[in-house]
Amino acid sequence: QVTLKESGPGMLQPSKTLSLTCSFSGFSLSTSGMVVSWIRQPSGKSLEWLAAIDWDGDKYYNPSLKSRLTVSKDTSNTQVFLKITSVDIADTATYYCARRVFPTYYFDYWGQGVMVTVSS
Amino acid sequence: DIQMTQSPASLSASLGETVTIECLASEDIYSNLAWYQQKPGKSPQLLIYYANSLNDGVPSRFSGSGSGTQYSLKINSLQSEDVSIYFCQQNYDSPYTFGAGTKLELK
Repeated sequence: QVTLKESGPGMLQPSKTLSLTCSFSGFSLSTSGMVVSWIRQPSGKSLEWLAAIDWDGDKYYNPSLKSRLTVSKDTSNTQVFLKITSVDIADTATYYCARRVFPTYYFDYWGQGVMVTVSS
Repeated sequence: DIQMTQSPASLSASLGETVTIECLASEDIYSNLAWYQQKPGKSPQLLIYYANSLNDGVPSRFSGSGSGTQYSLKINSLQSEDVSIYFCQQNYDSPYTFGAGTKLELK
């Protein structure tokens, strides 16, 4: 059974660095063709793809946010991390991690999401 | 970035009705399109991929069609559990982009 779960600070101040963790089970990120992505959704709005990391350790970023994003994974290939630097109120959103897998590479499993509020 | 324009923004229909949601891509995405259903307070769930392939476990009253830049999601015989927000997503080119969503309510 594939499950993903996000965790994060809940609230942080503007200009700080947001650190998020996606813990997953039911698959390994070391398996060829496996990708874990981060997607966010401000309350009442649509979804924005942020970043991804694949089984080979290759990283992909949304150009609009690339300078502020860092995606990484742990050596056991059961967790993926996302750091967003210099957060602003506009970064307030629910953050999801989601799996993509060869050959379709669609977001087939999603975590429950973690809400992050940026406020002074 | 490829822009995804979804319509309508909201839709009200009666139980048993057939509803259609449209999605227009700003360029040809060669059927690399998905539809997701998001219920209140929940994460999105994949319904349709490659424009017309039904994901495992999705009821057959859902169907997708389209090609090029124009795509649609059809729900036959609307059920109460279909009340959700529906998003389209292009999977052709990074950054992967989503439509603004269609909120489906019961009349």
